[in-house]
Amino acid sequence: DTAVSQTPKYLVTQMGNDKSIKCEQNLGHDTMYWYKQDSKKFLKIMFSYNNKELIINETVPNRFSPKSPDKAHLNLHINSLELGDSAVYFCASSQSHRVGEKLFFGSGTQLSVL
Amino acid sequence: SQQGEEDPQALSIQEGENATMNCSYKTSINNLQWYRQNSGRGLVHLILIRSNEREKHSGRLRVTLDTSKKSSSLLITASRAADTASYFCATDNTSYGKLTFGQGTILTVHP
Repeated sequence: DTAVSQTPKYLVTQMGNDKSIKCEQNLGHDTMYWYKQDSKKFLKIMFSYNNKELIINETVPNRFSPKSPDKAHLNLHINSLELGDSAVYFCASSQSHRVGEKLFFGSGTQLSVL
Repeated sequence: SQQGEEDPQALSIQEGENATMNCSYKTSINNLQWYRQNSGRGLVHLILIRSNEREKHSGRLRVTLDTSKKSSSLLITASRAADTASYFCATDNTSYGKLTFGQGTILTVHP
């Protein structure tokens, strides 16, 4: 009954491959996010969706494409993986995208590109 | 650009001592939040302080906010080994809930 669950937990792949990370939340929240945490622990927002609508799209290469089939799911597809994509990717959700909402995070997907 | 920056980057203390972590930010904010991240896990929300508040308490946590200095501090009193984690501040200066995180303070509490 994990609130925000993402799969897989670990992903090891070769440069140039295409991979997807899935995220689901059972909190009934309207808003979901993808964050990237680099090797220095710096956490940076990539995307947010509110009820399947894109709200935040940071300066992320267009090789990264989020997809939200419904408000409980936000998947991240990455094309043509590069070495620099290696990081931990966190999915999160919040009640809404209003100011002052707290985020609930998944446990992360550690992506290693070889 | 990075909005919140934590100081120190790493803090090592003994159980029972207090731990103080600081966060500085660059632009005016709506609110500031603190999160904890245990090794290999996701972030967990600890406390939120709004821009019109100066101090907030939650259990052994005390957060202060000084908007004139654009800084916040997180105090953990009577620390425990289980408090060992990374602590992040996150600020929101938008109208659509975009949280910007700092790099965190790594806290180690020795039993």
